[in-house]
Amino acid sequence: GQNIDQPTEMTATEGAIVQINCTYQTSGFNGLFWYQQHAGEAPTFLSYNVLDGLEEKGRFSSFLSRSKGYSYLLLKELQMKDSASYLCAYMDSNYQLIWGAGTKLIIKP
Amino acid sequence: GAVVSQHPSWVICKSGTSVKIECRSLDFQATTMFWYRQFPKQSLMLMATSNEGSKATYEQGVEKDKFLINHASLTLSTLTVTSAHPEDSSFYICSARELANDYNEQFFGPGTRLTVL
Repeated sequence: GQNIDQPTEMTATEGAIVQINCTYQTSGFNGLFWYQQHAGEAPTFLSYNVLDGLEEKGRFSSFLSRSKGYSYLLLKELQMKDSASYLCAYMDSNYQLIWGAGTKLIIKP
Repeated sequence: GAVVSQHPSWVICKSGTSVKIECRSLDFQATTMFWYRQFPKQSLMLMATSNEGSKATYEQGVEKDKFLINHASLTLSTLTVTSAHPEDSSFYICSARELANDYNEQFFGPGTRLTVL
């Protein structure tokens, strides 16, 4: 079946660090993606994890544990422009993306 | 990076008319294109998967006779909303998967905002 969960909304302060968690359950797995989506715009790719561990890319890092069905996106040195929705999605055995509902991240000064 | 374009970016039409949305991969060949719909404050909903040269695969609950998809080449897919009604007003986004892409990453178009009056 398709089951993927992430928090609906999170609030953080400019300059701080925030971790957005994503859990999933699937019998077929071909990797986990994180996308950023600003209001009224299409999603943009942030990261892809297919093996366990941490992938670091500038201020953003993504972690995956396949055995736990768990991933997180870590954003450091938050900037106001990071206010957006963050979507996690896993790719199933048919190479189709199964999307979470998205986490709206609100950054406060 | 790979670029996907959509046209038009926004459209307003009268109820009962048809609207065609184009999705193009500009600098790569896309074996597979996906059509999504997104209502305000909701996540992406996959409508259909389109493979070049074959019929699209529609998700459950999506009317194939209402949402016509054509994927005639490796760089172009079209979605036609036939006899549009106000409830079809939404943000339609296409994505394309590159022929040879280790990541199996999908590249998204900028989206088309459809308003049906």
